[in-house]
Amino acid sequence: EVQLVESGGGLERPGGSLTLSCAASGFILSNHDIHWVRLAAGKGLEWVAYNGNTGDTKYATSVKGRFIVSRDNDKNTAFLQMSSLRDEDTAIYYCARGWGGVPANWYFDLWGHGALVTVSS
Amino acid sequence: QSVLTQPPSVSEAPRQRVTISCSGGSSNVGNSAVIWYHLLPGKAPKLLIYYNDMLASGVPDRFTGSKSGTAASLAISGLQSEDEGDYYCAAWDARLNAYVFGTGTRVTVL
Repeated sequence: EVQLVESGGGLERPGGSLTLSCAASGFILSNHDIHWVRLAAGKGLEWVAYNGNTGDTKYATSVKGRFIVSRDNDKNTAFLQMSSLRDEDTAIYYCARGWGGVPANWYFDLWGHGALVTVSS
Repeated sequence: QSVLTQPPSVSEAPRQRVTISCSGGSSNVGNSAVIWYHLLPGKAPKLLIYYNDMLASGVPDRFTGSKSGTAASLAISGLQSEDEGDYYCAAWDARLNAYVFGTGTRVTVL
């Protein structure tokens, strides 16, 4: 079955770090871009980061310098390393498979069910 | 605060038609492809429309996307209970250098 499965969510204190994993199955991760999107309670979707299949990356201003995307193609898994966590980072984090090539054409055709990250003291 | 504006909610009876608007500007909707996604609690978000009006695989043709200038819309005809949930438009914003989502619209089938 073609799917993405996030893991690694949990409770972390402000200032702490957490790494999310996104395991791909049914397709070869190295052939695809991966994006991270989050949904905070009572708010809308927010794009977080892009991990291109050629190694390029982009980040939302709200997480730049604190979050890092990476991947292990041998394990068919992508990662989102989150550090200097803030209360406002509390959200469900989704990984999604990207298409479109240039950013103006980006779209995400496959999403995981999400991982909950709670930042609280 | 999102740069793409959608109505907070729309509701209609089964088998009727609803339209969700997505208003942006020249840095996003006006110069990028508009995408539509459907969210249900506890489920993986689902791609509905890409490249403004292209139906994603497996999505029924009751869903129609369109774009004109800096505004886009999603129409759902023959409304069914399974169509309930939150709908988001999205596009690349060249000024913000970020992929932006709309404010989201909750669809309720009466």
